[in-house]
Amino acid sequence: DTGVSQDPRHKITKRGQNVTFRCDPISEHNRLYWYRQTLGQGPEFLTYFQNEAQLEKSRLLSDRFSAERPKGSFSTLEIQRTEQGDSAMYLCASSSYGYTFGSGTRLTVV
Amino acid sequence: AQTVTQSQPEMSVQEAETVTLSCTYDTSESDYYLFWYKQPPSRQMILVIRQEAYKQQNATENRFSVNFQKAAKSFSLKISDSQLGDAAMYFCAYRSGNTNAGKSTFGDGTTLTVKP
Repeated sequence: DTGVSQDPRHKITKRGQNVTFRCDPISEHNRLYWYRQTLGQGPEFLTYFQNEAQLEKSRLLSDRFSAERPKGSFSTLEIQRTEQGDSAMYLCASSSYGYTFGSGTRLTVV
Repeated sequence: AQTVTQSQPEMSVQEAETVTLSCTYDTSESDYYLFWYKQPPSRQMILVIRQEAYKQQNATENRFSVNFQKAAKSFSLKISDSQLGDAAMYFCAYRSGNTNAGKSTFGDGTTLTVKP
């Protein structure tokens, strides 16, 4: 197991398009988190799963954002009708004690 | 709501010297965890050190140690014998000890420069 994997690493999309990101956590970790990070800021919590159950969702997350974790394995984060303000690094982490982060997906909305 | 404050946006240290990064937090809980994460430029964030609030002893990991002052709600990171590879952005983070609480709250980070 090589850690947390995120795909793609970079995504450029036109405003109004939908995008989907994937995260494969460390297999022994039952908790999976999504965070968003903009330049010069700390990560902001978006949502987290314990196994397949989505236990918390940030109020920052508008209805355009949805996340799933079918069968408690990998997770996807979808953003519909992207806006320029969605441009950020989207980080996935899984945890036992502290977080193990993936390399992130950098989204640029043009 | 918990907040985490890192008051030093940037710090620099000479190679082989010691530097301390500051972090304060606000919470009404008595059971929680505190973390320091390192994010090198264009690389993924990694866990540096963790402190459980119920432990009085300060955590240590090789050249990294913390000064945890629970009453003052302060959690500083000391890096001894600084190396060029320590250059990164460092984030302090708080997580509730409630087993149902999942998320961590992060500070805005301190960018550490190591001068040769």
